[in-house]
Amino acid sequence: DTEVTQTPKHLVMGMTNKKSLKCEQHMGHRAMYWYKQKAKKPPELMFVYSYEKLSINESVPSRFSPECPNSSLLNLHLHALQPEDSALYLCASSQDWEPGTQYFGPGTRLLVL
Amino acid sequence: AQSVTQPDIHITVSEGASLELRCNYSYGATPYLFWYVQSPGQGLQLLLKYFSGDTLVQGIKGFEAEFKRSQSSFNLRKPSVHWSDAAEYFCAVGAQLTGGGNKLTFGTGTQLKVEL
Repeated sequence: DTEVTQTPKHLVMGMTNKKSLKCEQHMGHRAMYWYKQKAKKPPELMFVYSYEKLSINESVPSRFSPECPNSSLLNLHLHALQPEDSALYLCASSQDWEPGTQYFGPGTRLLVL
Repeated sequence: AQSVTQPDIHITVSEGASLELRCNYSYGATPYLFWYVQSPGQGLQLLLKYFSGDTLVQGIKGFEAEFKRSQSSFNLRKPSVHWSDAAEYFCAVGAQLTGGGNKLTFGTGTQLKVEL
């Protein structure tokens, strides 16, 4: 099973709202990732977790707050977002060693009004 | 620093025709190379990967890719394209991160259109 699930599929939020995106995998992977993808562009890495610890933060604004409660779950908490944050948010997971093939979820389509 | 170039932004082929999508990479060591496909509004699906060994790798959906170190290329091919292959294709190179996990560097993607 190479499935990564993400909820919700779609999310519309105002600039003052607080919402969370959820990602789950049961492949025993110990590395998990959040990406942001704008239309017609490749995914941009936001965060990397390895063994439930934040490994990389690619200078993401603090209005995005990741959380890894356990090895199977990854959350992205959203607060005071801007319209330009509207995008497809992708979660991925991999083994923690090279080559570490990443498996992606279907994404959450976020619209910030 | 690693980088990936996909020189073709758009490619249109007729159904049943052969396909080749180009990918060139820049990486100091042995590269770990991937091809992903993305249908509109969907996540990325892994088509195939190259780590070492046989330079011709087979993937899902009838795709294959050939690693050519001398040309720093990893081109994706399919002998006969189906209408359902219309999608965005991303080539990527991977490297391990010091703090754990690994980083994929993606090319800008190639949009494939299939004419019936």
